[in-house]
Amino acid sequence: QKEVEQNSGPLSVPEGAIASLNCTYSDRGSQSFFWYRQYSGKSPELIMFIYSNGDKEDGRFTAQLNKASQYVSLLIRDSQPSDSATYLCATTTGGFKTIFGAGTRLFVKA
Amino acid sequence: DTEVTQTPKHLVMGMTNKKSLKCEQHMGHRAMYWYKQKAKKPPELMFVYSYEKLSINESVPSRFSPECPNSSLLNLHLHALQPEDSALYLCASSQTGTLNYGYTFGSGTRLTVV
Repeated sequence: QKEVEQNSGPLSVPEGAIASLNCTYSDRGSQSFFWYRQYSGKSPELIMFIYSNGDKEDGRFTAQLNKASQYVSLLIRDSQPSDSATYLCATTTGGFKTIFGAGTRLFVKA
Repeated sequence: DTEVTQTPKHLVMGMTNKKSLKCEQHMGHRAMYWYKQKAKKPPELMFVYSYEKLSINESVPSRFSPECPNSSLLNLHLHALQPEDSALYLCASSQTGTLNYGYTFGSGTRLTVV
């Protein structure tokens, strides 16, 4: 069973802090890794993808990938109340099938 | 155009009804998907179309019938659904190729079966 595991949270951080979201995956054949943000009642929105070991930065978001440890993380710097959402980690082995984790709920306190 | 458009946004149907969900994209994506999402759960893959051909069917019951009339349109025909089929139905599209760059999701159709 290919799985993507996330802590369901909620993860609560104060405004302006760094939020750290973590994800592990079981399929060593996974090639691409994604973070989607989903507000309550809305559809998921792609915020980051990464496929090489190391860090990838985009604005306040940094994705980190460690294939040896089968670990993906998302850092959100200067967290804002508008970042409060569920963050879905997802992987694909290169085909069309993407496997989603159950998501981590993030709450940023003003 | 960087959007995936889904209609209707909300649908209430009886167990004997026939209805269709529609999805449209004009980003030139040649892979299109139907996902089902229950509350507080991750999206579950139902169907994948690649170049207008069905390439993945995740053992979905036959009361769900997908159709891809052309490269921009994707339909999901519904018939004789059960109350447990009530969920958010998401359409998504992506580029094709050896590397998956992620999905663009539509806003979804919230389906209630009564």
